[in-house]
Amino acid sequence: DVKVTQSSRYLVKRTGEKVFLECVQDMDHENMFWYRQDPGLGLRLIYFSYDVKMKEKGDIPEGYSVSREKKERFSLILESASTNQTSMYLCASREVTGHGANVLTFGAGSRLTVL
Amino acid sequence: RKEVEQDPGPFNVPEGATVAFNCTYSNSASQSFFWYRQDCRKEPKLLMSVYSSGNEDGRFTAQLNRASQYISLLIRDSKLSDSATYLCVVNLPEYGNKLVFGAGTILRVKS
Repeated sequence: DVKVTQSSRYLVKRTGEKVFLECVQDMDHENMFWYRQDPGLGLRLIYFSYDVKMKEKGDIPEGYSVSREKKERFSLILESASTNQTSMYLCASREVTGHGANVLTFGAGSRLTVL
Repeated sequence: RKEVEQDPGPFNVPEGATVAFNCTYSNSASQSFFWYRQDCRKEPKLLMSVYSSGNEDGRFTAQLNRASQYISLLIRDSKLSDSATYLCVVNLPEYGNKLVFGAGTILRVKS
């Protein structure tokens, strides 16, 4: 089974702090994604990467950046955390199956609180 | 209009009941459809893909109606363990096969 590991399950940070959220997958998938999930809004795509050193903005990239230096690792960076970035952050890795389906496997999530 | 819309619920049903959720999508070019299940404070997990001919997996049946642009999930003989949020997911082929999630439908099965 694909395993996607997010190193921090719960974080509490102060406004203005720099925050790193790490995500590692162990199945050699090329595609990786960062979402945030908020009540009533569902999952919203922040950034994604289809290959090493490649990154694309999702729907809500403002206030975030990412890094993909190695295939298995995709990091989300909050340069200067703000209270409206308090959320659940979910990393996912994608398998594209033979018949073209797109199956996402998620990490357990990182719940960030910004005070 | 949202790209993917779901009734948020909650759907409160007794054990053994049959319950159905619908999900509508706005992009007629979408080709891939999924239902994910998310337990409280856990990550979403794939429940089933939805194929154009409809498909069944045990007590779960998924159907696709392309003409009306909706997918459905039917759960028969509901169990307490089915209580979760069910997320509808649709792809956008013209945007690099980006996957768009609905906000989810909450199901509570009670004894």
